[in-house]
Amino acid sequence: AQSVTQLDSHVSVSEGTPVLLRCNYSSSYSPSLFWYVQHPNKGLQLLLKYTSAATLVKGINGFEAEFKKSETSFHLTKPSAHMSDAAEYFCVVSDQGGGFKTIFGAGTRLFVKA
Amino acid sequence: DTGVSQDPRHKITKRGQNVTFRCDPISEHNRLYWYRQTLGQGPEFLTYFQNEAQLEKSRLLSDRFSAERPKGSFSTLEIQRTEQGDSAMYLCASSPDPKGNQQFFGPGTRLTVL
Repeated sequence: AQSVTQLDSHVSVSEGTPVLLRCNYSSSYSPSLFWYVQHPNKGLQLLLKYTSAATLVKGINGFEAEFKKSETSFHLTKPSAHMSDAAEYFCVVSDQGGGFKTIFGAGTRLFVKA
Repeated sequence: DTGVSQDPRHKITKRGQNVTFRCDPISEHNRLYWYRQTLGQGPEFLTYFQNEAQLEKSRLLSDRFSAERPKGSFSTLEIQRTEQGDSAMYLCASSPDPKGNQQFFGPGTRLTVL
């Protein structure tokens, strides 16, 4: 069965500094991995996805993530945080073993200080 | 608007009452998913449909919950004899096909059981 662990429930950074949100996954098959963002009172929005193509995936708003099979990780990064990045971020795994249903991590709340 | 829509956006009910939520997916998306999200948690998978067929149900989905997608388009989620523990955001998502494709989420229906 697949699973996903987000290693930090809260991350706080200063505006203009790098962002790192950590995610580890477990999957018996070749997984698809996603990062979604949820702003307060707004719907979930896809940031980026990995589907067995390039291991370094670029997403919207300057975010990117690297798939590392040996480490079973899919960490989300951004070189320079902006105030508008403050939100909840979810790492998601999906594989054929689960009938392609998606499993969400518990989420990481990102705080950005001025 | 061609996104996923959900109705109602908010529902307040008394314990023991039945409630029904509706989800209209993006046109021609054959997969439709239901999730439940409680405060501070990631969305938890409830069930999904491939066209009109309900392919999987989570153990979270007690016998008080039922979902339908009769014509393979819109879906309904009914909760019978609601309990206070049912209070949550109920999210619907759709995708064009299972493998490696993102899910497009609706805004959710927030249920409060008094």
